[in-house]
Amino acid sequence: DQQVKQNSPSLSVQEGRISILNCDYTNSMFDYFLWYKKYPAEGPTFLISISSIKDKNEDGRFTVFLNKSAKHLSLHIVPSQPGDSAVYFCAASGREYNFNKFYFGSGTKLNVKP
Amino acid sequence: DVKVTQSSRYLVKRTGEKVFLECVQDMDHENMFWYRQDPGLGLRLIYFSYDVKMKEKGDIPEGYSVSREKKERFSLILESASTNQTSMYLCASRLRGAIGEAFFGQGTRLTVV
Repeated sequence: DQQVKQNSPSLSVQEGRISILNCDYTNSMFDYFLWYKKYPAEGPTFLISISSIKDKNEDGRFTVFLNKSAKHLSLHIVPSQPGDSAVYFCAASGREYNFNKFYFGSGTKLNVKP
Repeated sequence: DVKVTQSSRYLVKRTGEKVFLECVQDMDHENMFWYRQDPGLGLRLIYFSYDVKMKEKGDIPEGYSVSREKKERFSLILESASTNQTSMYLCASRLRGAIGEAFFGQGTRLTVV
């Protein structure tokens, strides 16, 4: 059973608008979360992370929000650009795994239309 | 610029063949990982290694083995390839003790026929 779920396989957004990608997890021991971006024919690249002691982390156009009580995190991209079109994976780990085992969601394919 | 390089982009192998997937990193990272990516399932950890000659099973190790004889190189071995091992395989590395990002290779698309 997947411990990290991304329930939206795809999302389409107009350029300049906000993209919101969602991720839910079931394991309350997870305390560190990352987002990766993946272009076709390339490996995933790190985008942004958040630890459970925070509820928000911002890096330029990208903000990750963490709601521990709901076991939910989201990635906001504002404003969205066509170059943001990619598959986005969320991943989670925790101290019990020594942060060696990351559990990934199934990914959300974002399409930003010009 | 940090780099994780996988030896092949595309491979086609026959059922029953022994298959080697190679991964090399130039960042002097202790930790290296092998994942497979399948539609609807995301990335699933097959094996990881936290030092030379050290390895640990991930979530789906059945049908696979690994080898880490040198720090920079981590090999994934399919002992007897089967069609259900057709997948995208991704290698990654990370600094030990760092809870941050892992760096991924470009992936190997393996097709077993």
